[in-house]
Amino acid sequence: GQQLNQSPQSMFIQEGEDVSMNCTSSSIFNTWLWYKQEPGEGPVLLIALYKAGELTSNGRLTAQFGITRKDSFLNISASIPSDVGIYFCAGQADSWGKLQFGAGTQVVVTP
Amino acid sequence: NAGVTQTPKFRVLKTGQSMTLLCAQDMNHEYMYWYRQDPGMGLRLIHYSVGEGTTAKGEVPDGYNVSRLKKQNFLLGLESAAPSQTSVYFCASRRLPDSTYGYTFGSGTRLTVV
Repeated sequence: GQQLNQSPQSMFIQEGEDVSMNCTSSSIFNTWLWYKQEPGEGPVLLIALYKAGELTSNGRLTAQFGITRKDSFLNISASIPSDVGIYFCAGQADSWGKLQFGAGTQVVVTP
Repeated sequence: NAGVTQTPKFRVLKTGQSMTLLCAQDMNHEYMYWYRQDPGMGLRLIHYSVGEGTTAKGEVPDGYNVSRLKKQNFLLGLESAAPSQTSVYFCASRRLPDSTYGYTFGSGTRLTVV
């Protein structure tokens, strides 16, 4: 199947710092999604991207759909302790809503 | 509260035992999915359904069966559990494949096969 490469695998940052993570694929996607997962819970959608080149913000989060349709990035500005969690990218390539997930980026925020 | 409910939340099985995981959604969503999540990996699709009475295989379907007899329920069965099926299982639903709000996930079932 399609492979999504998500990096970095983990990040240890201080409160107030910005965070960047990205996903790349060997194949084209028509939708990119970014999720956050906290311990013991299912992933929660943060941002959805539907067009190549699209830049979308949700509060302190900003994500972009790469021009080639094979990559996406997520930025978190001015991190706070509640940003702790695992962030996943996911790409959708078909009409059935099936998603291909990256392996996740674990974010740890220290005061 | 509206959403996706998974039962049970935890289960320990012996190798060779069978069990069924239940996923129920009250949002009248057409599409439902079962994923598994293993340490250090993203979620991988096991099976999915595009409507009542339909099922299809995902990326890792071997060892699992599913049924969607009612629109609101999607069952995942393990006929003969193996240690390799130790994982966290997530169910998700979606109104349409291109729904703006993406999936709604359940909180997961943690399964251990010993």
